[in-house]
Amino acid sequence: DQQVKQNSPSLSVQEGRISILNCDYTNSMFDYFLWYKKYPAEGPTFLISISSIKDKNEDGRFTVFLNKSAKHLSLHIVPSQPGDSAVYFCAATWGAQGGSEKLVFGKGTKLTVNP
Amino acid sequence: DADVTQTPRNRITKTGKRIMLECSQTKGHDRMYWYRQDPGLGLRLIYYSFDVKDINKGEISDGYSVSRQAQAKFSLSLESAIPNQTALYFCATSDTGPFQPQHFGDGTRLSIL
Repeated sequence: DQQVKQNSPSLSVQEGRISILNCDYTNSMFDYFLWYKKYPAEGPTFLISISSIKDKNEDGRFTVFLNKSAKHLSLHIVPSQPGDSAVYFCAATWGAQGGSEKLVFGKGTKLTVNP
Repeated sequence: DADVTQTPRNRITKTGKRIMLECSQTKGHDRMYWYRQDPGLGLRLIYYSFDVKDINKGEISDGYSVSRQAQAKFSLSLESAIPNQTALYFCATSDTGPFQPQHFGDGTRLSIL
């Protein structure tokens, strides 16, 4: 029973274009969502997050959108750069107001940005 | 220097052996976590600790044990390793308080023959 789903194992985009990575969740208790980026031979690096009281959070080239009614979130990268090529993990947790505990991760989407 | 350091980075061992993976952090965080990643899968939580005296089981704790020796140190043990414990293991830390992201080490690649 996968609570966080990333249905696209891979995505390829051209440099300068928009990358859109999608994530769906099933647990209505989730109240905090995060995106992590992972390069080979390195640990996941925190990228951006959003709490359930918001529907958008932006940080530079990265924007996360949350649609609670659809239980869907997406990460937009504009413009995409070759250095963005990595595996992106969506993660969710609950009870975050009191401090995040257990993160539930999706399987990841491998993004390739072609020069 | 890395904020979250895992040792060893790679380990090959045999079935039945006892193995300890170590994690140390300089971030001053109270909360520490151990995750496991298998090919094509996301990370799954093994154990987590909110302080030295507080240790909790995660989603997949069977076959593993942990020790929180100090605020900065959290070790994961496999008492009798088996081949299906071959995986990539990550340690993470987070600060106390609302909406705090977890910060990960670079992982330990463990192979059990």
